[in-house]
Amino acid sequence: EAGVVQSPRYKIIEKKQPVAFWCNPISGHNTLYWYRQNLGQGPELLIRYENEEAVDDSQLPKDRFSAERLKGVDSTLKIQPAELGDSAVYLCASSRNNNSPLHFGNGTRLTVT
Amino acid sequence: EDQVTQSPEALRLQEGESSSLNCSYTVSGLRGLFWYRQDPGKGPEFLFTLYSAGEEKEKERLKATLTKKESFLHITAPKPEDSATYLCAVFDNYGQNFVFGPGTRLSVLP
Repeated sequence: EAGVVQSPRYKIIEKKQPVAFWCNPISGHNTLYWYRQNLGQGPELLIRYENEEAVDDSQLPKDRFSAERLKGVDSTLKIQPAELGDSAVYLCASSRNNNSPLHFGNGTRLTVT
Repeated sequence: EDQVTQSPEALRLQEGESSSLNCSYTVSGLRGLFWYRQDPGKGPEFLFTLYSAGEEKEKERLKATLTKKESFLHITAPKPEDSATYLCAVFDNYGQNFVFGPGTRLSVLP
């Protein structure tokens, strides 16, 4: 089966600029996650979707971050405006349902200058 | 609040030198403990799920075990291609989410 696809792989922007990340999960996976991973640390959850519904966005900085999952398939994560501290790898993952193993994409490495 | 710690932070082994990685956790109600492997520039890759104390899983040179407070990932006669960061994560009853540890960076020298 095809894996989780993310784009772009790399993004360099200046602070205060907007940026968007895109994710295509594995076909048939109802649960989709966005994680942020800083260097030398484990992934930290930003938001979890069950189909189209965001069921856990408690860790999403809502003043500047937004996400959507249209038709319960692809998802986008947006940051506006970006700050220096947002530099990290943004990982998308999907699973058949909650508690099933996660399948990760290769992430988008964001550098904010 | 769920917490996951991993030790050591980094480990260097000679090829063939067996060792173990530790994952310690505190969680309100464990529904599963997961091990992942992460290569540089890649997303984590799923290895094992353990659900109850005493359970063991094996895959090639890797063996994962679980107790009520920690999990071990045993690496037998490692090869250079086993070099990666190994992450563990817990899934709890209450939060309904995965909580990841910081990982152990393993280097196996030829």
